[in-house]
Amino acid sequence: GDSVTQMEGPVTLSEEAFLTINCTYTATGYPSLFWYVQYPGEGLQLLLKATKADDKGSNKGFEATYRKETTSFHLEKGSVQVSDSAVYFCALSLKIYNQGGKLIFGQGTELSVKP
Amino acid sequence: ETGVTQTPRHLVMGMTNKKSLKCEQHLGHNAMYWYKQSAKKPLELMFVYSLEERVENNSVPSRFSPECPNSSHLFLHLHTLQPEDSALYLCASSQDSGGGTEAFFGQGTRLTVV
Repeated sequence: GDSVTQMEGPVTLSEEAFLTINCTYTATGYPSLFWYVQYPGEGLQLLLKATKADDKGSNKGFEATYRKETTSFHLEKGSVQVSDSAVYFCALSLKIYNQGGKLIFGQGTELSVKP
Repeated sequence: ETGVTQTPRHLVMGMTNKKSLKCEQHLGHNAMYWYKQSAKKPLELMFVYSLEERVENNSVPSRFSPECPNSSHLFLHLHTLQPEDSALYLCASSQDSGGGTEAFFGQGTRLTVV
């Protein structure tokens, strides 16, 4: 079935370190891919997205490239800040005719950035 | 402000109580979702409504009963819950359009069953 797998957390980094959170997916058809972020006590917020192969999504210094050949959508940031501490979710969305987008999430990766 | 509002933000209820969670969106979306988020577990999709019709029910126990009276409102009616139902319940909405669609989430209702 359709699924998303993320690297397990927690990930602990020092401020200004480079971040990579791995995400791979399995899907029938051609999904859109997303990264969501959840800050403590909040719901999920869309961080970035890519809708087709080789697209790069970017926002707030975060980037991810839709790699169809490796079925991956790894999240990267060149220099993390303490304020980036949160849980990050990789997700895919499949269009189901007349049923909206079916959104499937990975298990989430907790990121903790230390000063 | 995400455009999706959930009430209440926190709820404590006994196992014999009946309560309802409310979700409201004014984004013009026509699909709405309930997710359950438990500690140390992936997000679990519970229900999907599209054009006010339920299109998915992921084997959710009958003590959870959704209702979608119109495209802007979604309820989750709760009765005779168990302590293991304690979790963050998230509502989301999306627009049914060509290709995969992103969802917009509310801030969630933190439910504690005692």
